[in-house]
Amino acid sequence: EADIYQTPRYLVIGTGKKITLECSQTMGHDKMYWYQQDPGMELHLIHYSYGVNSTEKGDLSSESTVSRIRTEHFPLTLESARPSHTSQYLCASSEDDRGYGYTFGSGTRLTVV
Amino acid sequence: AQSVSQHNHHVILSEAASLELGCNYSYGGTVNLFWYVQYPGQHLQLLLKYFSGDPLVKGIKGFEAEFIKSKFSFNLRKPSVQWSDTAEYFCAVRPGGYNKLIFGAGTRLAVHP
Repeated sequence: EADIYQTPRYLVIGTGKKITLECSQTMGHDKMYWYQQDPGMELHLIHYSYGVNSTEKGDLSSESTVSRIRTEHFPLTLESARPSHTSQYLCASSEDDRGYGYTFGSGTRLTVV
Repeated sequence: AQSVSQHNHHVILSEAASLELGCNYSYGGTVNLFWYVQYPGQHLQLLLKYFSGDPLVKGIKGFEAEFIKSKFSFNLRKPSVQWSDTAEYFCAVRPGGYNKLIFGAGTRLAVHP
């Protein structure tokens, strides 16, 4: 059972709405990540954080923003949702950068209509 | 740009058939290699990893993978699949000195009884 939780699992929302995707972990990991995944495509890193008050943009440009005020919490926000934001968003955390310690959440499937 | 290629997007097998999923990466230096699995309705979880040493690595549930440096490959194998292996399989690479994972597009495996 993963100790990283994402809510909501599914979200359908209208264009122009502001949304926040929640991600929380109970493992005390410093490093957290947001990946975006479209069907049949690679997971693309869009944001990451190495600790409180540390956030960086990933390899794929994204109009979303993130914050890291607490170790356990790494929410992702879209100020004005558009249909192009329709995707699955996966949150992960790890103790290190080497990869094997990644724990993934179940994902949020976002549809913007 | 660094990338990971998974040759098959969909694979359909009967139970007891042998499985081999291809994975190639484009990076010439030291790498760490991973296979993740996502069972229906569940989160991504680590299947096996290669960091160094024996290029043939064994993971959970009878899976193994072989790192062939000269071919930039890390193919996943299982001699006899079961219905419960139905899942999506992702290959991932961490290039040396780069602190994030690069994922392939995934291979969706369906095993029929």
